[in-house]
Amino acid sequence: DAGVIQSPRHEVTEMGQEVTLRCKPISGHNSLFWYRQTMMRGLELLIYFNNNVPIDDSGMPEDRFSAKMPNASFSTLKIQPSEPRDSAVYFCASSLRGENTEAFFGQGTRLTVV
Amino acid sequence: AQSVTQPDIHITVSEGASLELRCNYSYGATPYLFWYVQSPGQGLQLLLKYFSGDTLVQGIKGFEAEFKRSQSSFNLRKPSVHWSDAAEYFCAVGAKPAGGSYIPTFGRGTSLIVHP
Repeated sequence: DAGVIQSPRHEVTEMGQEVTLRCKPISGHNSLFWYRQTMMRGLELLIYFNNNVPIDDSGMPEDRFSAKMPNASFSTLKIQPSEPRDSAVYFCASSLRGENTEAFFGQGTRLTVV
Repeated sequence: AQSVTQPDIHITVSEGASLELRCNYSYGATPYLFWYVQSPGQGLQLLLKYFSGDTLVQGIKGFEAEFKRSQSSFNLRKPSVHWSDAAEYFCAVGAKPAGGSYIPTFGRGTSLIVHP
């Protein structure tokens, strides 16, 4: 398996623009997580899905952020409009729901909003 | 809510020296504990995990960690550090809501610097 695949790896956008980050989880995994990593706040959980259903989005910073999982093999995190303070590395992770399983992380998307 | 404290922001060791990275957690039930490593520009790779059983767990790259319930700790150790071990290390505790998956909550990380 290729692991969790995120795209793009790097994104530079202007303030006010819409940004869409993409994630393909490991095949067969049924839980998916979106994290944001910044120097100030470390790794924060934004939202997680079980079986394509959003379970907890309390970590989403504000209404400008939205996430979807239309099927088991694809998820998006959208920021509209983007702001400079959204600059961070965004990670997607997936796991197999059940006992004794861990989360596998993608390589991340480094977002810079100028 | 669960939380993780990694008291050391930076640790500097000489190559060949032993290493211990500290991790303390707060969680009301039996914790599920993890150590991940992140190299620059990379994602997080799992080093080892503890779910139950033997409190001393072995991981990849020669790392081990010991779960001590009485101290709420899960410290990471390695007997001899290699230059390639220089990276950011994250401790995480996994909470498992009913019917759900483990949700890792991470500490702030410890940056390991290795001197030749």
